[in-house]
Amino acid sequence: GENVEQHPSTLSVQEGDSAVIKCTYSDSASNYFPWYKQELGKRPQLIIDIRSNVGEKKDQRIAVTLNKTAKHFSLHITETQPEDSAVYFCAASINNDMRFGAGTRLTVKP
Amino acid sequence: ETGVTQSPTHLIKTRGQQVTLRCSSQSGHNTVSWYQQALGQGPQFIFQYYREEENGRGNFPPRFSGLQFPNYSSELNVNALELDDSALYLCASSFLAQGSEQFFGPGTRLTVL
Repeated sequence: GENVEQHPSTLSVQEGDSAVIKCTYSDSASNYFPWYKQELGKRPQLIIDIRSNVGEKKDQRIAVTLNKTAKHFSLHITETQPEDSAVYFCAASINNDMRFGAGTRLTVKP
Repeated sequence: ETGVTQSPTHLIKTRGQQVTLRCSSQSGHNTVSWYQQALGQGPQFIFQYYREEENGRGNFPPRFSGLQFPNYSSELNVNALELDDSALYLCASSFLAQGSEQFFGPGTRLTVL
């Protein structure tokens, strides 16, 4: 089955800096790649997603890139703010089976 | 917040017991997926229900079973509870079974003693 690896497991940045989280997947048939943000004690919230026919997608301060050849995708957050502090999960989906990475705990220091 | 709801919020059971968790999907969604999230880990796919039938399953034993009702709400049943079943159980609803945005409910925190 699909295996998703996510790095780093923890990331600390200064407010205003950029943050990058990277994921790799194993199954080239994966065709949908969402990113979720989960604050402590809350549900995962979809922040951005990308499909396999697109290489890059941007939404304000958040962008995702996908390299199908290398089977990796990345989340980029620019101009980070303290409220960006949370655990971020990447996922890769084949048909109806969505596999998540282990998560990255992002801390943005004011 | 999404329109996905789950009940109960918290639950404490003992080993060997059975539990039923419930999920109401967001209006307009016909697919419900269930996930187990252990502390400090990412959600693990249990199974998905689409049009009242199981539509895919992760690496979970048969004692994890489910149902979907005509209104697209869903239940997750776990028999013969084990200590390792202690986790946050999340359901997520979507409009399509494949490759579409999934919106999570708040989860049910299950503790098995």
